[in-house]
Amino acid sequence: DGGITQSPKYLFRKEGQNVTLSCEQNLNHDAMYWYRQDPGQGLRLIYYSQIVNDFQKGDIAEGYSVSREKKESFPLTVTSAQKNPTAFYLCASTPGQRGTEAFFGQGTRLTVV
Amino acid sequence: EDQVTQSPEALRLQEGESSSLNCSYTVSGLRGLFWYRQDPGKGPEFLFTLYSAGEEKEKERLKATLTKKESFLHITAPKPEDSATYLCAVQAGNGQNFVFGPGTRLSVLP
Repeated sequence: DGGITQSPKYLFRKEGQNVTLSCEQNLNHDAMYWYRQDPGQGLRLIYYSQIVNDFQKGDIAEGYSVSREKKESFPLTVTSAQKNPTAFYLCASTPGQRGTEAFFGQGTRLTVV
Repeated sequence: EDQVTQSPEALRLQEGESSSLNCSYTVSGLRGLFWYRQDPGKGPEFLFTLYSAGEEKEKERLKATLTKKESFLHITAPKPEDSATYLCAVQAGNGQNFVFGPGTRLSVLP
């Protein structure tokens, strides 16, 4: 079955640690996205990538980093510079043509302990 | 700046009680308006894409409509399994990313 796989489903981070969230898609989509979701707020864009080895910052990129070495993979690293990382993180992909819907993974809930 | 607002924030309906959710948007050159359903702890599930004013799409008890400034998601005779958060998003003409509204949390009581 084609889709987007995020792992892990739950992640706990200690203060000062970097953690990496995995996102893999087998839809052969060109564009991939990372969003952050907080209670009562809409999804906010962290980073997006339209093609391998290229990515752009979204509205809230500070404290996060990404890489796009393979078309099917777009991992997100939450660094110690991100002061309030506790949130629900969603990865999405689209074929790349404007006006086509995004497909989402099932999310990773990150909690700082 | 592209913006999306949704109302109401939360809505409680009795089973069978029809209603509508609103999505208002300001965007420079709409490429598409998207509706998603999100269950607690899950990723959003795609429902509809609308491209131009006057367009309508239907799926089971849901019907989405679009004007130049807003979109409505009409729910006819809802069932408890329709309970979820409904998200609206837009994609602007020059951009690749999506701008999401905060969502409407719908509860349908048996």
